[in-house]
Amino acid sequence: DIQMTQSPASLSASLGETISIECRASEDIYSNLAWYQQKSGKSPQLLIYAANRLQDGVPSRFSGSGSGTQYSLKISGMQPEDEGDYFCLQGSKFPFTFGSGTKLEIK
Amino acid sequence: QVQLKETGPDLVQLTQTLSITCTVSGFSLTTYNVHWVRQPPGKGLEWMGAMWNGGGTDYNSAFKSRLSISRDTSKSQVFLKMNSLQTDDTAKYFCARHPLIPHWDYFDYWGQGVMVTVSS
Repeated sequence: DIQMTQSPASLSASLGETISIECRASEDIYSNLAWYQQKSGKSPQLLIYAANRLQDGVPSRFSGSGSGTQYSLKISGMQPEDEGDYFCLQGSKFPFTFGSGTKLEIK
Repeated sequence: QVQLKETGPDLVQLTQTLSITCTVSGFSLTTYNVHWVRQPPGKGLEWMGAMWNGGGTDYNSAFKSRLSISRDTSKSQVFLKMNSLQTDDTAKYFCARHPLIPHWDYFDYWGQGVMVTVSS
């Protein structure tokens, strides 16, 4: 199985701050990576797919980048509504696997 | 409007069988794939298996032969059935939609999930 190593596990950011979350795959996933936001008790919401494509309706302060085994999600200008858990998903090979998640809080 | 909704029991007894239904609306099961994913309390997500738009299935080998996924396209429903439940099967179970986009595999809509507790 492809292992997805996500960091950091938790992050505290001030309003307006730019933050990054990383996912490293145990092998090349050919940009077949998605990022999700999950708020407490809710279902995950798709932010980014294909490593860098913004899902319709997602604010442009979210962006994704990366290739091969290294990927990142950037939030340019933290907003209060961005608090939550973030995780990555690789869809390159079965079984699909997820990163362990990053808890993002406002400082 | 795309929606997925899971319905199932809150509580299942140890060694018994779990059955959950995912009822979808706003799209057809013959043009989208639907997957099952679970999340134990306070833990990460685990992919369980898929119902393909053509009716085939794939399973995470971690569930060996315990897991079965089926569907009724006339009712827009996908079913998860898992037997021999253990306490570590306690989790929130989600169904999620997988669009048919060549090369790109991800879930664009998820249900709200159903929390299942396995009790001894």
